[in-house]
Amino acid sequence: DIVLTQSPLFLSVTPGEPASISCRSSQSLLHSNGNKCLDWYLQRPGQSPQVLIYLGSNRASGVPDRFSGSGSGSYFTLKISRVEAEDVGTYYCMQALQTPRTFGQGTKVEIK
Amino acid sequence: QLQESGPGLVRPSETLSLTCSVFGGSISGSTYYWGWVRRLPGKGLEWIASIPYSGSTYYNPSLRSRVTIFLDTSKNQFSLQLSSMTAADSALYYCLITGRTDSYYGMEVWGQGTTVTVSS
Repeated sequence: DIVLTQSPLFLSVTPGEPASISCRSSQSLLHSNGNKCLDWYLQRPGQSPQVLIYLGSNRASGVPDRFSGSGSGSYFTLKISRVEAEDVGTYYCMQALQTPRTFGQGTKVEIK
Repeated sequence: QLQESGPGLVRPSETLSLTCSVFGGSISGSTYYWGWVRRLPGKGLEWIASIPYSGSTYYNPSLRSRVTIFLDTSKNQFSLQLSSMTAADSALYYCLITGRTDSYYGMEVWGQGTTVTVSS
């Protein structure tokens, strides 16, 4: 199985400030078709997870443009340009290259 | 929209049966992969299984010997069975769309989740 390692595991951010979460994979997530098979999900308190970013850098429908994904090979980053109160929750990366799909441990984000 | 249903409490060694009802669209002829993910206490998210309309099944190898996923197109539902339940299977179980057969937009739609506790 592909192992995903996120860092940091906990992030405390001031509203309006940027935030960044990284996800390192145990192997390259580059598909033979050129897709970077890494997604980002946010699980707000009391809610189901929702997709933020798919295939490395594509924002899902309805996701604010303050969220961006980047990276290649086995190292990926989720950036929030200006954190807002509604961004609290746990962020997960997930690899979509192979079955079984696997998730990172999660990064809990709180607002100062 | 997706809605899970099933028992909140299961006894050790029994089989868990969960059903996901699909609203606002039909499983029949769809291009989606229908699946299940669980959130284990203190351990994050774990993908369990997926199935497209064709009926091909995809299972997490760690659970393969105990899990079955299947469609019921007459009821517009899909279901999960997990046998030989133990306390380690206590979790919040989500049904969801895990992908598409002709493109990919991430795990797009999630149910609200149903809590399953294994206890005698």
